[in-house]
Amino acid sequence: SQKIEQNSEALNIQEGKTATLTCNYTNYSPAYLQWYRQDPGRGPVFLLLIRENEKEKRKERLKVTFDTTLKQSLFHITASQPADSATYLCALDVVSGAGSYQLTFGKGTKLSVIP
Amino acid sequence: EPEVTQTPSHQVTQMGQEVILRCVPISNHLYFYWYRQILGQKVEFLVSFYNNEISEKSEIFDDQFSVERPDGSNFTLKIRSTKLEDSAMYFCASSVTSGGISSYNEQFFGPGTRLTVL
Repeated sequence: SQKIEQNSEALNIQEGKTATLTCNYTNYSPAYLQWYRQDPGRGPVFLLLIRENEKEKRKERLKVTFDTTLKQSLFHITASQPADSATYLCALDVVSGAGSYQLTFGKGTKLSVIP
Repeated sequence: EPEVTQTPSHQVTQMGQEVILRCVPISNHLYFYWYRQILGQKVEFLVSFYNNEISEKSEIFDDQFSVERPDGSNFTLKIRSTKLEDSAMYFCASSVTSGGISSYNEQFFGPGTRLTVL
């Protein structure tokens, strides 16, 4: 069966350190992998997208890697700040049987950055 | 900055009643989506909509659900006869494109409507 797993439900790190979140998937062949941030009671906010033929993508303090052989993406936040505390969602852009695309989300990892 | 808006922010209804959740997607976007998130669980895809018709729907989106774009700006989700298990946060999203080799499928989400079925 198809699964998307994010390494842990919660991750606590010290301010200034690098947070690394993991997303593993099985039985999917995604064209893209996306990362979103979700704050309590709010909708997901897009952060980064990486295509299947890209190894790495960066945006300011964020970095995403995508290994289609391992079926894994790593999401890094460098120099983390308390304002980075949120739930981070991995989402696969999956071709449906009808040929259209839809996002399939993991459960998310709740990151807490401790001052 | 343009954003997706949703109304109401919170809807309380009795089991068996019909509800309509409303969304205004970003104006130049062509693809529209509904997702739901039951408390403490993951965000789940319900339906995608393009060119005034459903392009894809999940198995959650059964005959009790329907979507409509009644005019040039609104996008609605109707639940015909609500059940207790329909209680969730419902998110509308929109994107410029739907994905594909040469496309870019960043989706913009609204703030959500919290539906409580009693």
